[in-house]
Parts: sequence; C-alpha cells; structure tokens
Amino acid sequence: QSALTQPASVSGSPGQSITISCTRTTSYIGGFDYVSWYQQHPGKAPRLMIYDDTHRPSGVSNRFSGSKSDNAASLTISGLQAEDEADYYCSSFSGYSTLYVFGSGTKVTVL
Amino acid sequence: DVQLEESGGGLVQPGGSLRLSCAVSGFTFSSYWMTWVRQAPGKGLEWVAIMKHDASEEYYVDSVKGRFTISRDNAKNSLYLQMNSLGAEDTAVYYCARNYLHYYYGLDVWGQGTTVSVSS
Repeated sequence: QSALTQPASVSGSPGQSITISCTRTTSYIGGFDYVSWYQQHPGKAPRLMIYDDTHRPSGVSNRFSGSKSDNAASLTISGLQAEDEADYYCSSFSGYSTLYVFGSGTKVTVL
Repeated sequence: DVQLEESGGGLVQPGGSLRLSCAVSGFTFSSYWMTWVRQAPGKGLEWVAIMKHDASEEYYVDSVKGRFTISRDNAKNSLYLQMNSLGAEDTAVYYCARNYLHYYYGLDVWGQGTTVSVSS
C-alpha cells in the first residue's frame, strides 16, 4: 500500500479542467513536504511537472498547477488536451526512514 | 543536451547480482544529487536510492537496505547501483534521475531506463 493515495483514474473532455488528489494515508508517519508531480506516457520515462508543491519547471505548460494543504496535495490540469492522457504520480519528501515516497498513480483519460 | 543513459540490466537468477550504470552528459554531474527509481511491470514508481553530489551521503528505501549500494564516480560522470541478493520483487525498469535544484525538490531529468528481470 502506497503512503500517498491517488484516485486510480480521472477523465475529462478536451478543454475541461480536472484535478488529481494526493492524500497522505493515516498509516504513513513520514513527512509530507515538497510535493512534486510527474507525468508518464506509456513506455516513457516520467517527466517532472510540479516541484515544491506549486512550482512549474521551465518548459511545463501553465495549464498545470499544484496546490497543497496539511495532508493533501492536488494537481489541476486546465484546458485538457489529448496529449495530457498519461499516468500521473505525486511524490513527497519524507525525511523519514524511506526518504521519498511516490503516490499510487492516476491514469488520466481524455474522452 | 542533458542526458542520462542507463545500462547493465538483464536477466538474473534469484540470489544473483547486477551492477547498473548511468552515464551522464550535458551538465556538471559533480554538482547534483542523483537518484535511482524503479517501476515493476504494470506498477507505479518506487524511489530506491539517492546519493549526494560528493558521495558523502546516501539513503535507501527500506526494502533494499543491506542489498543495494549506490555509488558514483564524478570523474567519469557516472552513477551506479550495485544490486545483490536479488529477488523476484526486484524485477523492474530502473531509472536514474537528477535531483532538481535541491535534493528534496524532485527529479527533473530521467534516463530511458534499464530492465532488470529476476527469474530462474
């Protein structure tokens, strides 16, 4: 069981906005800091989309935005496009026994 | 161009060993923390190990502690992962990745991955 829970799937129509949640499980005792988000297309390496909870690396579309509260983070994709169809993973710095944890992953489908 | 290229994967019997390599180019390798991440077939990402830019610190996921060793050679622009006592649960694509800005910020550059299969 992942320390960070994400919905298995989220879908939306082109042009719509969707939000993917990332929730810290009750059994996870590590930290929930510096959340990052990754996009992964089938057979490809992941790509960093958001770092430090809300920041976008250079080259990432401003259609992607991140937010975080105490025990949950979210990734919002605005103006959904066909190329956004991929798996998305959250990750956080734990600072505990296992330094980093990834979320369970969410498959985004563009209808 | 910034590039990471993994090698060394393959088929190994349970209990065996493998050494993965990650050749780096296009940036000052000796300035960055570096990480290994793996992905079992059809599964999600799992952080495996991280090493500080000067090799003075290293950390591992609990499931590989005592079996895997991360190392680096800054003169050769290379990162390594020595994997011993391999089991079926270690079957995965292994990615090396660069830590972005600070070691806790995320992984901004990834290799294409190398596949490790543990089976008799």
